[in-house]
This record gives sequence, structure tokens and C-alpha cells, in this order.
Amino acid sequence: QQKVQQSPESLSVPEGGMASLNCTSSDRNFQYFWWYRQHSGEGPKALMSIFSDGDKKEGRFTAHLNKASLHVSLHIRDSQPSDSALYFCAASDNAGAKLTFGGGTRLTVRP
Amino acid sequence: EAAVTQSPRNKVTVTGGNVTLSCRQTNSHNYMYWYRQDTGHGLRLIHYSYGAGNLQIGDVPDGYKATRTTQEDFFLLLELASPSQTSLYFCASSEGRDNERLFFGHGTKLSVL
Repeated sequence: QQKVQQSPESLSVPEGGMASLNCTSSDRNFQYFWWYRQHSGEGPKALMSIFSDGDKKEGRFTAHLNKASLHVSLHIRDSQPSDSALYFCAASDNAGAKLTFGGGTRLTVRP
Repeated sequence: EAAVTQSPRNKVTVTGGNVTLSCRQTNSHNYMYWYRQDTGHGLRLIHYSYGAGNLQIGDVPDGYKATRTTQEDFFLLLELASPSQTSLYFCASSEGRDNERLFFGHGTKLSVL
């Protein structure tokens, strides 16, 4: 079983809509989370990190972390076609240098 | 934005062949990583390094060797390539402080026939 699991595997939302992506860790050592985004033909790029319980907002993107349940989510409001991509959740333990990635969620934003 | 350059972009080899994938970063980052990307598995860490001459084993190291010759250059070696190693390979770098973001290259698509 993967230590970092994402759901859903794929998601389709209309332009201007809200996209919600989920991620859960099965390893209690994983306390630090990142969201990465990968457009077709490119390498992944970091979107945002979240290390503390609660919400963190960066523009149209909001991440939410619940350390007790090891659950992190990413919400994209006012979704744009350019947000269509593969989104990865990644986690690390206290040592920090090594990231473990989930299987990814493919987001499609319909014009 | 940190620059990580991988070569080649595409590579085709036969079962049992030797393959070397190259990665160079020009941002004086301490850490470098090799990941493979497969549908349903996301990105899985093969090897990583925190400096020239150093090598750390990742989560899926079997069948792979790696070497960090300088701070800038990190190589992934497949000495007896197998079809199961057909994948998209990414190199990444980071400064190496706790929980730093990774900067990825554009990837190398490897096909083992």
C-alpha cells in the first residue's frame, strides 16, 4: 500500500468551478505536506506547502491540513482551463529531505 | 527559478542494454534526486545525494546505480536494462534544508524493448 494516497484519481470541473483534491498518509511520521502540479510534457512544479494544522491560502488555492487524521486537501476556486494538470500530494517526515509522493489526481477544467 | 537540465529527452534501448541518464543543476543546490513516474504510482524515489561523492538509497533502488560526480552533476545508470524499467525519469534538486521544495527537470522518457 502506498504511504500517500490521493483521491479521486481524476476530476472534471467546469470553468469557474471549485475543484477539491484529497490526500491521506498512512505513516504517522509524515507531518509535512506539499502539493505539486504537472502540466503535460513538463516536470512537476511546487504549488504550495502546508506544515501546520488548519488552512493556508495562496491566491485561488487553499490547502487544509488535519494532522490528527493525516489528511490534507487542496481546493482550487474559480478553476481555469490552465489549471488542467496532474496534481501530486507529497509528504516528508521530520528529516525533511526525502519526499514521498502520492499517485496523483488528474484535473480537467472544461471551458 | 532553479534550472535542472536532463539529457537525453528520449531514449530507446533493448533488454540487457546499458543506459546512462544525465542531470545537471546550476543553482548550487546540495541535494539531487532521481525519481521514476509511472501511472498509478506517482513519483517514486530511486536514489538521492546530498553532495559530490555521496549516494543515498531511495524507495525503489533495485536495478539502478547512481553517481554524483560534482555538485552540479548526477547520473543514473541502468547496467542491464529490463522492460520493467520503461518509465519517465525525473531529476530534481533542492537546497537540502528541512522541507525545502524540489525543482524538477523536464524528464527523460526511457523505453526498454
